[in-house]
Amino acid sequence: DVKVTQSSRYLVKRTGEKVFLECVQDMDHENMFWYRQDPGLGLRLIYFSYDVKMKEKGDIPEGYSVSREKKERFSLILESASTNQTSMYLCASSSLHPGQGGSEGVYNEQFFGPGTRLTVL
Amino acid sequence: LAKTTQPISMDSYEGQEVNITCSHNNIATNDYITWYQQFPSQGPRFIIQGYKTKVTNEVASLFIPADRKSSTLSLPRVSLSDTAVYYCLVGATTDSWGKLQFGAGTQVVVTP
Repeated sequence: DVKVTQSSRYLVKRTGEKVFLECVQDMDHENMFWYRQDPGLGLRLIYFSYDVKMKEKGDIPEGYSVSREKKERFSLILESASTNQTSMYLCASSSLHPGQGGSEGVYNEQFFGPGTRLTVL
Repeated sequence: LAKTTQPISMDSYEGQEVNITCSHNNIATNDYITWYQQFPSQGPRFIIQGYKTKVTNEVASLFIPADRKSSTLSLPRVSLSDTAVYYCLVGATTDSWGKLQFGAGTQVVVTP
């Protein structure tokens, strides 16, 4: 089974701190994603990466950056944490590229980690 | 971007069929429709994906009308363990992963 792990389940930081959220996947997936999840808003894509050292902005990249130095690891960085970044952060990975999948038996599926609940005080 | 709209919540009793409809009026030609399930304190889990007509697997069915402006996830004979949030997702086109768009989710509560 695909396993996506996140470095912490719960994290408490202070305003202005630099925060690193780490994500590791063990299935050699090319694509990795960072989402944040807030009540009533569902999941919103922050950044994604389709290859080592490659990244693209999602819907809400402001205040965040990412790093992908190795294929299995994708890091989300909050350069200067703020209270409005208090949220649940979810990492995901997938093996297919956009446009692939959807045919019988081939699904464009993302595999999610358990999430990190970040509180910024 | 294909924005999705789905009901905020739905209640059901054990053994009933639950149908959740997702509206996606601006769906693009290359977009697929995907549904995920999320339990508390867990990440979402893939349930089913389709492009048009009907798709069925061991967990659910997905009905997509010809105009593809909506889709319906059908959960047959639900049990208490089906209580979860269900997300409708439209995207994964040939252009960019950046067009993925999750809905706000539907909280399904199954009671005895």
